[in-house]
Amino acid sequence: DAGITQSPRHKVTETGTPVTLRCHQTENHRYMYWYRQDPGHGLRLIHYSYGVKDTDKGEVSDGYSVSRSKTEDFLLTLESATSSQTSVYFCAINAREGDTEAFFGQGTRLTVV
Amino acid sequence: KNQVEQSPQSLIILEGKNCTLQCNYTVSPFSNLRWYKQDTGRGPVSLTIMTFSENTKSNGRYTATLDADTKQSSLHITASQLSDSASYICVVSAPGGNNRLAFGKGNQVVVIP
Repeated sequence: DAGITQSPRHKVTETGTPVTLRCHQTENHRYMYWYRQDPGHGLRLIHYSYGVKDTDKGEVSDGYSVSRSKTEDFLLTLESATSSQTSVYFCAINAREGDTEAFFGQGTRLTVV
Repeated sequence: KNQVEQSPQSLIILEGKNCTLQCNYTVSPFSNLRWYKQDTGRGPVSLTIMTFSENTKSNGRYTATLDADTKQSSLHITASQLSDSASYICVVSAPGGNNRLAFGKGNQVVVIP
């Protein structure tokens, strides 16, 4: 398995609280992504990073922010969690421009109550 | 409009039977297309990659085809096994730079004894 870990694996939080999910890689890959996966929607891109301090928005970025201060870590923050952000979150890494081979973490199941 | 459309959304097949999953994409220019398998509760894992010049590629009981002219790909599963029960996701490298990936919503396959 590619060296990519997500933490925590499961989290329950209350509406209005901030939440940070962490993605850590040991592969030194340039590209890192955060996706959410919901029934009927498949994987949707929240934010991605193409280098340290280089990030950009995906298709469902509202309510989320990210930071990448080191190559190996990509943090996803829900600034004020809402019930609509209950989902399974996947981090992925990718080494090369134009390559569709992404390695995924195990996922984080987040429940906002 | 989603750049990658998959059909059927879900199907149930008997163990030992064959099935074919379809992926149509509109992404242009096209670099490569990849099929992923996602088991329940796990992150997607790459099955096979198709580049522009390839028509057919096999990986064990999985055979992928690509018609770059019609922008269609298929994944054929031969002699299905219970372990083939999963979601199969078609992914294409999206335009716009920075290695964004366009995901289909997946084909949910259930193999029954």
